[in-house]
Amino acid sequence: EAGVTQFPSHSVIEKGQTVTLRCDPISGHDNLYWYRRVMGKEIKFLLHFVKESKQDESGMPNNRFLAERTGGTYSTLKVQPAELEDSGVYFCASSQMTLGNTEAFFGQGTRLTVV
Amino acid sequence: AQTVTQSQPEMSVQEAETVTLSCTYDTSESDYYLFWYKQPPSRQMILVIRQEAYKQQNATENRFSVNFQKAAKSFSLKISDSQLGDAAMYFCAYRSSYGSSNTGKLIFGQGTTLQVKP
Repeated sequence: EAGVTQFPSHSVIEKGQTVTLRCDPISGHDNLYWYRRVMGKEIKFLLHFVKESKQDESGMPNNRFLAERTGGTYSTLKVQPAELEDSGVYFCASSQMTLGNTEAFFGQGTRLTVV
Repeated sequence: AQTVTQSQPEMSVQEAETVTLSCTYDTSESDYYLFWYKQPPSRQMILVIRQEAYKQQNATENRFSVNFQKAAKSFSLKISDSQLGDAAMYFCAYRSSYGSSNTGKLIFGQGTTLQVKP
């Protein structure tokens, strides 16, 4: 079974440009999460989808970030326009349920560098 | 709001020895879940071990075990018989189990980089 897949693995863009990150969750996982780790700091929650609906987007930094999950399958996270402080590693995770001690499965992350 | 703190940015251990990684957390909730995730250099995070707060017995997974001290809000990870493949960044994480807070989102610590010396 394929795991959580993220594209691209690395992205280097100039300040002011647009970047779109993609996450393909494990098939059948209704819950999809985006997290971000800025250099040397903790991994922070960005948002949570249940199928195609945004359940919790309390961690989104500002309106330059837009997340979508088309048809409840893959998800994209667009940053427009990118700023220097957006640099970091963006992780996607998926899980079958939110109840109990359900394991979240993570992708390998996308390292975004804004120059 | 809940917080998770890992006070050891880096740790090292000799191969075959035992090492303990520290994690403390803060919460007003009585029921929750705690996790240790491992992120090897290839960067995909994998679950190492999990603990339900309502269980007094410490979780164990082969060479990995936890020391869960609920009153002290401490959740340390012990790795026995360390192997070269254990070298990675380890993240401690908290997840709420209450009502609207139970969205499954994880609250992470800053991470501890573990070096294993041959």
